[in-house]
Amino acid sequence: GAGVSQTPSNKVTEKGKYVELRCDPISGHTALYWYRQSLGQGPEFLIYFQGTGAADDSGLPNDRFFAVRPEGSVSTLKIQRTERGDSAMYLCASSLWSQPDTQYFGPGTRLTVL
Amino acid sequence: AQKITQTQPGMFVQEKEAVTLDCTYDTSDPSYGLFWYKQPSSGEMIFLIYQGSYDQQNATEGRYSLNFQKARKSANLVISASQLGDSAMYFCAMRENSGNTPLVFGKGTRLSVIA
Repeated sequence: GAGVSQTPSNKVTEKGKYVELRCDPISGHTALYWYRQSLGQGPEFLIYFQGTGAADDSGLPNDRFFAVRPEGSVSTLKIQRTERGDSAMYLCASSLWSQPDTQYFGPGTRLTVL
Repeated sequence: AQKITQTQPGMFVQEKEAVTLDCTYDTSDPSYGLFWYKQPSSGEMIFLIYQGSYDQQNATEGRYSLNFQKARKSANLVISASQLGDSAMYFCAMRENSGNTPLVFGKGTRLSVIA
């Protein structure tokens, strides 16, 4: 079946602009995670959804970052007033509630802020 | 404090040889899970192997095995019979508690397999 998909695969924007990154989880996966991976680092947790609600958003770095999952499937990560330091790979993962030990990752969106 | 420590930024291994990638972790939770992921240059994180804190046996998945030493808080990945396609970044990760909690990743080790 289809895996986790993320669009766009690459996004180049200018400092100060608004961007949206989309994640389509595996069908039926109720848990969805966003991670950010800077160059040379491991992924860092941003936010986790269980269904439509954000169960844990403690990893969001500041209030410029926001994520939604209105119907409990597709999620959008929104970044306002982008800064050069936001440049990174943004990874999305999903898992079954009954199988939390297997998070399936998407291919990521590489965001570059000029 | 670092919860996952990978001390080897880069490793080289000859094709067909075995290689061990080191990982130590830090947690006070009695229930946790340890994971290894492979990230090729394409960027996708590929799940390799999982070890639960209560598992008595070391996990194995094909050519991958996890050398779990609980008292040392160590969870090294062993890749046997290395292949050129194993060249990638390898990340150790931990999930504390049970249930759906986020993964905490180490900084990774870049493995290069040479012919």
